[in-house]
Amino acid sequence: QQQVKQSPQSLIVQKGGISIINCAYENTAFDYFPWYQQFPGKGPALLIAIRPDVSEKKEGRFTISFNKSAKQFSLHIMDSQPGDSATYFCAARGWNYQLIWGAGTKLIIKP
Amino acid sequence: DVKVTQSSRYLVKRTGEKVFLECVQDMDHENMFWYRQDPGLGLRLIYFSYDVKMKEKGDIPEGYSVSREKKERFSLILESASTNQTSMYLCASSLLSGGGGGGQEQYFGPGTRLTVT
Repeated sequence: QQQVKQSPQSLIVQKGGISIINCAYENTAFDYFPWYQQFPGKGPALLIAIRPDVSEKKEGRFTISFNKSAKQFSLHIMDSQPGDSATYFCAARGWNYQLIWGAGTKLIIKP
Repeated sequence: DVKVTQSSRYLVKRTGEKVFLECVQDMDHENMFWYRQDPGLGLRLIYFSYDVKMKEKGDIPEGYSVSREKKERFSLILESASTNQTSMYLCASSLLSGGGGGGQEQYFGPGTRLTVT
């Protein structure tokens, strides 16, 4: 119940395409859903986050879609660029305010 | 800008050695965290601390201990390193634990890649 399942494990997208990464959770008590971006040799950094009372949040080319009834949320990267190549982690905040992390998705944008 | 620094980027230790990983944050954050990152497993919480001298076990505390004597510094200790502790170790800090407002963003250091031989 404390798990966050992330897919796919890796993703290759052409430059200019849409990258989509999905996450699913079981615990309905989760109340905050961030996405983190990690470049090689760096720690993860917060990219965008959403609360469960909102179905979509957009920041530039990055959008979180949230489906509360299905207990799923996804990250969409529009007009994907080579500089977006990174590992992306979804997470969910649990009862003790700690983050439960997905396994990560390695995204490669081909020029 | 928040800065979280970790004492080493790469570390090689022998089985049975005592290992200290140090983390320092410069933004007066209340909370500090130690994670380990392994391919396909995401980030797993080892320990966290919400105040000086306070610590809580995370999901995988076995084989690890922590120390927080000053607000800005959080140390991870491997009492007797083993090969299954070979991993990337990430330290993070955040302003607040929860609540409806902001402050829950976690800021990460660059990581320490530890190899135990």
